[in-house]
Amino acid sequence: AQSVSQHNHHVILSEAASLELGCNYSYGGTVNLFWYVQYPGQHLQLLLKYFSGDPLVKGIKGFEAEFIKSKFSFNLRKPSVQWSDTAEYFCAVNDPADTDKLIFGTGTRLQVFP
Amino acid sequence: DTEVTQTPKHLVMGMTNKKSLKCEQHMGHRAMYWYKQKAKKPPELMFVYSYEKLSINESVPSRFSPECPNSSLLNLHLHALQPEDSALYLCASSHEDERDYTDTQYFGPGTRLTVL
Repeated sequence: AQSVSQHNHHVILSEAASLELGCNYSYGGTVNLFWYVQYPGQHLQLLLKYFSGDPLVKGIKGFEAEFIKSKFSFNLRKPSVQWSDTAEYFCAVNDPADTDKLIFGTGTRLQVFP
Repeated sequence: DTEVTQTPKHLVMGMTNKKSLKCEQHMGHRAMYWYKQKAKKPPELMFVYSYEKLSINESVPSRFSPECPNSSLLNLHLHALQPEDSALYLCASSHEDERDYTDTQYFGPGTRLTVL
């Protein structure tokens, strides 16, 4: 069965620091990968997604992610974080057995201090 | 426009009450979803409707009853809930993106449910 791992549970950064959040998945075939963000008290928003083609995906708010098939990874990056990036970040992948199912990682809580 | 709306925003109910949560989308999406999210946890899938038919029930207790009256509307009927059912209930909808043929889910703001 497909699974998603986010090893960084809680990340604390100062403003302007660079960010990389890890995401690994288990299925070796064709995958669609997503990063969602949930700001405090708000709903899940799609940051970016990968389906095929260029493994470097650019999303909203200056985020990008790189799909590395050989490492089963889809890490999220941002060169310079802001206080407003404080949020919970979830990596997700479509279940190959049923693409209506999204399998979420456990989430990474990012705190950015001014 | 990727807006999914949910009402009410907050709901407090007793264990003997019957209440309903409502979700709407007017984007022509073919699939709609109910998720349950506990604090600091990822969303857990409960139900999926595809073309107004229930396609996935993740072994959810019968005290939760979904309903899809039409392609834009999704309800979740609640009856005899337990305090441990207190959570944020999220609705989502999805369609196949014509640019890349992926199914992308868009989430509503949720209903924060408290069961006393």
